[in-house]
Amino acid sequence: KNQVEQSPQSLIILEGKNCTLQCNYTVSPFSNLRWYKQDTGRGPVSLTIMTFSENTKSNGRYTATLDADTKQSSLHITASQLSDSASYICVVRGGTTSGTYKYIFGTGTRLKVLA
Amino acid sequence: GAVVSQHPSWVICKSGTSVKIECRSLDFQATTMFWYRQFPKQSLMLMATSNEGSKATYEQGVEKDKFLINHASLTLSTLTVTSAHPEDSSFYICSASVGLAGALEHEQFFGPGTRLTVL
Repeated sequence: KNQVEQSPQSLIILEGKNCTLQCNYTVSPFSNLRWYKQDTGRGPVSLTIMTFSENTKSNGRYTATLDADTKQSSLHITASQLSDSASYICVVRGGTTSGTYKYIFGTGTRLKVLA
Repeated sequence: GAVVSQHPSWVICKSGTSVKIECRSLDFQATTMFWYRQFPKQSLMLMATSNEGSKATYEQGVEKDKFLINHASLTLSTLTVTSAHPEDSSFYICSASVGLAGALEHEQFFGPGTRLTVL
């Protein structure tokens, strides 16, 4: 069964600290993996996209890693800011038996950054 | 670029009435639009996928007669919640995609969401 699991469910850190969010998936065949940031009451915004051959990709203070062998991804946030408080969603695009693609959403990690 | 808007951003209605939510791709033509529902502290749940000019494909468990989707143009899709009930209260998010669904660069661009409250 295609699944995407994220951990932790929620996280509280102090401003300026680093943190790492985890995403494990069992989607097959794998196409790509995206990390989204969703502010409360807003739609998700893409942070990074990673394909099978990519191990690391950065977007400012956000760095995503992908290990296609273990089917794990992480999102590392450096020097956190109050504005980083949001839900972070891991989405894996996978193929289906009919040849189309499906997006499988993780349950998200709710990050709260405190001053 | 790749901006998706939704209207209204929030709506409150009485039980039994119908509510229409619009999703527009502002600066690109969307081949496919997706409609999601999100309950508090949960992730997005795909309701249906709609391609311009054809009938929407609904996910299992989503009532097509209750959630009417119209994708009449490459820049507009609408979701109508018919005979709304309090349990339909949720955050509805649309996304629009450009390009072939099979292309590696295929990406969904999400709208800001619509908060529906049914009294």
